[in-house]
Amino acid sequence: GQNIDQPTEMTATEGAIVQINCTYQTSGFNGLFWYQQHAGEAPTFLSYNVLDGLEEKGRFSSFLSRSKGYSYLLLKELQMKDSASYLCAVMDSNYQLIWGAGTKLIIKP
Amino acid sequence: GAVVSQHPSRVICKSGTSVKIECRSLDFQATTMFWYRQFPKKSLMLMATSNEGSKATYEQGVEKDKFLINHASLTLSTLTVTSAHPEDSSFYICSATKGESSYNEQFFGPGTRLTVL
Repeated sequence: GQNIDQPTEMTATEGAIVQINCTYQTSGFNGLFWYQQHAGEAPTFLSYNVLDGLEEKGRFSSFLSRSKGYSYLLLKELQMKDSASYLCAVMDSNYQLIWGAGTKLIIKP
Repeated sequence: GAVVSQHPSRVICKSGTSVKIECRSLDFQATTMFWYRQFPKKSLMLMATSNEGSKATYEQGVEKDKFLINHASLTLSTLTVTSAHPEDSSFYICSATKGESSYNEQFFGPGTRLTVL
């Protein structure tokens, strides 16, 4: 079966750095997405990785290792508004998105 | 831009009634639209995929006669929950793809919170 694993919840301090991990087992791979979702709102796109390595975009970076079936989202200089759920999703061989359950990130002052 | 709207944002209805949710791509033509359902603290669950002018493809376990999807144009898709029951209460989210990028980024609507009494 297809499976996406990410921690259920993480806590970090304002101004710090946090890394959210995602491991996956899917039938085929056509890229990995990270989305941010605030409570009661729809997801918003953060990043897309299809090749191994690190993609940096401002305070957010996303890393992919296809051989390990592993990705992480790195958030730097955390702000209170970063409190949200972060969803990892993998596009399989049929170009269908397989979603993780999301990681709820709590930022404390 | 790539803006997707949903209407209504919130609906409360009585058990047994039908509810229609609209999903519109406001500034682009959507080659494909997706309908998701999300229960509290759970992941997005894909319900169906629809392309303009053709029948929707439903995921396993999703009743096509209960969740009617109409994709009448390249900017509008509707989901009708027929004879809604309390267990249908959920957050329904649509998304759309432009079909321009190699990875078909999905642009999400703001979601519709359905509560069935």
